[in-house]
Amino acid sequence: AQTVTQSQPEMSVQEAETVTLSCTYDTSESDYYLFWYKQPPSRQMILVIRQEAYKQQNATENRFSVNFQKAAKSFSLKISDSQLGDAAMYFCAYRSAETSGSRLTFGEGTQLTVNP
Amino acid sequence: EAQVTQNPRYLITVTGKKLTVTCSQNMNHEYMSWYRQDPGLGLRQIYYSMNVEVTDKGDVPEGYKVSRKEKRNFPLILESPSPNQTSLYFCASTPVVGYEQYFGPGTRLTVT
Repeated sequence: AQTVTQSQPEMSVQEAETVTLSCTYDTSESDYYLFWYKQPPSRQMILVIRQEAYKQQNATENRFSVNFQKAAKSFSLKISDSQLGDAAMYFCAYRSAETSGSRLTFGEGTQLTVNP
Repeated sequence: EAQVTQNPRYLITVTGKKLTVTCSQNMNHEYMSWYRQDPGLGLRQIYYSMNVEVTDKGDVPEGYKVSRKEKRNFPLILESPSPNQTSLYFCASTPVVGYEQYFGPGTRLTVT
């Protein structure tokens, strides 16, 4: 079974600075997808970024980028030029591309605080 | 507007009183799932459905039931709720393997 681990329960960053959230996962599969979701106080789950395992290029979405290290099974999220609106709980998630179904396996979450 | 809806958004109930949380999506997605979110544990899948009349257990199915009689609806049933089912519940849908899941707004359930 796949597992996802986020070792940082809480992180903080100054506004306009850069922060990196860590995520590691364990799987025996070679084809899969990785996601970062943001959960603001409204509780809505918002997709931040997605990475396909077969792609070597790291995904980027505006101020958000990932460092995907497949051999190390690491998938960190970098937020550049942090804004107050980035404050939220962030979840890393894994999804198999080899098995049927639609299960996402989530990490424990990292609570990000942005200080003005 | 493409969306996943859940009702109710908040529910306080007592142990043993059967309840149903509804979930509906208007995107014609095949896959639908239920998750529960607990502090320090992230989200864990309860049940999922690959299509009408096709459902399967996720990681934490005990104490829950689901049904998929129509493609758009996937209700979660707690026939005898217990306090350890107090949690935040999310319904989600996705069209094909590999696409991100579209989440509903969440249902905060408290069982006393």
